[in-house]
Amino acid sequence: GQQLNQSPQSMFIQEGEDVSMNCTSSSIFNTWLWYKQDPGEGPVLLIALYKAGELTSNGRLTAQFGITRKDSFLNISASIPSDVGIYFCAGASGGSNYKLTFGKGTLLTVNP
Amino acid sequence: NAGVTQTPKFQVLKTGQSMTLQCAQDMNHNSMYWYRQDPGMGLRLIYYSASEGTTDKGEVPNGYNVSRLNKREFSLRLESAAPSQTSVYFCASSLRDVTIYFGEGSWLTVV
Repeated sequence: GQQLNQSPQSMFIQEGEDVSMNCTSSSIFNTWLWYKQDPGEGPVLLIALYKAGELTSNGRLTAQFGITRKDSFLNISASIPSDVGIYFCAGASGGSNYKLTFGKGTLLTVNP
Repeated sequence: NAGVTQTPKFQVLKTGQSMTLQCAQDMNHNSMYWYRQDPGMGLRLIYYSASEGTTDKGEVPNGYNVSRLNKREFSLRLESAAPSQTSVYFCASSLRDVTIYFGEGSWLTVV
């Protein structure tokens, strides 16, 4: 099946720093999604990307759909303590509009 | 806004017992999903319902059954629980595409 490689697995940063994480795939995707999960909660949708090359922002978060359709990255600027959590990428190919493939997640820790 | 609501939040079952996880969404979404989340395995699709009246298997359907009761509700049933089904279960929904929205999760332990 399709697999997503998400990196890094974990990050420890200081408050105020910028963060970058990415996902790569061996397959082409038509949709890329980024989610954040807090402990004990369900994943919350942060950004959805639908076109190759698309760059979308949501506050301090920016995500891009790679031109090759095989990768995506998420940047967080000026991190704050509440950014702590697990960030997941997810992708879908055109042949399976109802089946997302998820990355294993990036655990972000922000030191105040 | 309730979004996707699932019950129960926590449940402990004995091996062989049955139970049903309930899920309801109030966003008038067409598609609904059940995922399980396990350490090191990420989120895996169990079953999905593209529209009312249809259900399809996902990546890990064995040991589960689902019912799309109406447009709002999608239940997941474990007929004979096994320890391997200890997991966190998430219901989710989407309007048309795969931009899905998750519920808060149900923590299930099978002893």
